[in-house]
Amino acid sequence: AQTVTQSQPEMSVQEAETVTLSCTYDTSESDYYLFWYKQPPSRQMILVIRQEAYKQQNATENRFSVNFQKAAKSFSLKISDSQLGDAAMYFCAYLPNTGNQFYFGTGTSLTVIP
Amino acid sequence: DTAVSQTPKYLVTQMGNDKSIKCEQNLGHDTMYWYKQDSKKFLKIMFSYNNKELIINETVPNRFSPKSPDKAHLNLHINSLELGDSAVYFCASSKWDSGNTIYFGEGSWLTVV
Repeated sequence: AQTVTQSQPEMSVQEAETVTLSCTYDTSESDYYLFWYKQPPSRQMILVIRQEAYKQQNATENRFSVNFQKAAKSFSLKISDSQLGDAAMYFCAYLPNTGNQFYFGTGTSLTVIP
Repeated sequence: DTAVSQTPKYLVTQMGNDKSIKCEQNLGHDTMYWYKQDSKKFLKIMFSYNNKELIINETVPNRFSPKSPDKAHLNLHINSLELGDSAVYFCASSKWDSGNTIYFGEGSWLTVV
């Protein structure tokens, strides 16, 4: 069974600093996709970044980047130059290549300190 | 243009009532979902439809009944509402294809009193 684990229920970061959110997953699949979603207080779910497992290169979107370690089944999100607007709940998600069910972690609540 | 829209956004109702939440997507996707997010913010899949066919039906009470009249719509009807049904319900959609992103609606905040 596929599971996604986010071991940090809460994190905080000083404005302009860098923070890394952890995510691990369990799967027997070799081909799959990983995502990070952001949920601000408005509750809207917003895609932050996406990674294909067959790509060795880590995905990057502006200040957001991932550290994808396939062998370790780890998919962490790094936020550089943190801004107040980054404060939100962050969910890690897994999608197997052979299906359409997304598996979500329990979320990490990020606070940005001015 | 809203990609995934759901109505109503807020709903306060009494125990025992029946209510519906509607969802529509204009992304041309063929797969739609209902997720429930409780007060602890855990996201739980409830149902998924692909081309109007039910493909995921997690363990939810029979009081919850999804209906997909076409690929662009997935509605959720809830009978005999209970206090524990209070949550945010998210509709979402994706394209049945490798690795396609799931897009969420804004959520429907249901409060049962």
